[in-house]
Amino acid sequence: EIVLTQSPATLSLSPGERATLSCRASQNINTYLAWYLQKPGQAPRLLIYDASNRATGIPARFSGSGSGTDFILTISSLEPDDFAVYYCQHRSNWPPRATFGGGTKVEIK
Amino acid sequence: EVQLVESGGGLVQPGGSLRLSCAASGFTVSGNYMSWVRQAPGKGLEWVSILYSGGNTYYADSVKGRFTISRHNFKNTLFLQMNSLRLEDTAVYYCATGWGDSWGQGTLVTVSS
Repeated sequence: EIVLTQSPATLSLSPGERATLSCRASQNINTYLAWYLQKPGQAPRLLIYDASNRATGIPARFSGSGSGTDFILTISSLEPDDFAVYYCQHRSNWPPRATFGGGTKVEIK
Repeated sequence: EVQLVESGGGLVQPGGSLRLSCAASGFTVSGNYMSWVRQAPGKGLEWVSILYSGGNTYYADSVKGRFTISRHNFKNTLFLQMNSLRLEDTAVYYCATGWGDSWGQGTLVTVSS
């Protein structure tokens, strides 16, 4: 079973700063990784799929990179709306299942 | 525009049953993969189940044998039948297209005596 480990657990930054979030997989998952943002009281929202592809309507300040076991979500310049919890997710074709990381909370410093 | 609206959550005793519904609009449930994902209070996300467009179903080990995912094509609705509920099934349950492309607002299931 694949385990996703996100770090750091909490990231304290100011608006306008660059955010770098990490997701590490316990084994090679190629580029089968997605990133989600979740604000309090709301459903998650897909940001990135297949490691580096932005979902429809996602601003260019969000970018994803990585392959194999190490992945990065970068927010180039934090806007007030970006302070939230971010999850990575691996989608396995066989057996079909999804695994989420524990999340990284990006909070206002 | 894709819209998903869950309903059917509530308070249920351990060992009880509940059926969640997810009414879809803007696309056809039968033509897409559809998932259920849950989130226990204050915790992270946990994938529960997926229904492929061809009809195959898959479940997380934690719910296998107790939960059943299904759909009603004419009503364009996804379901999650939950039996033998446990305290640890308490969570907000979200339906989603694919593995998580678009999400509903969620419905809260509380298992408590």
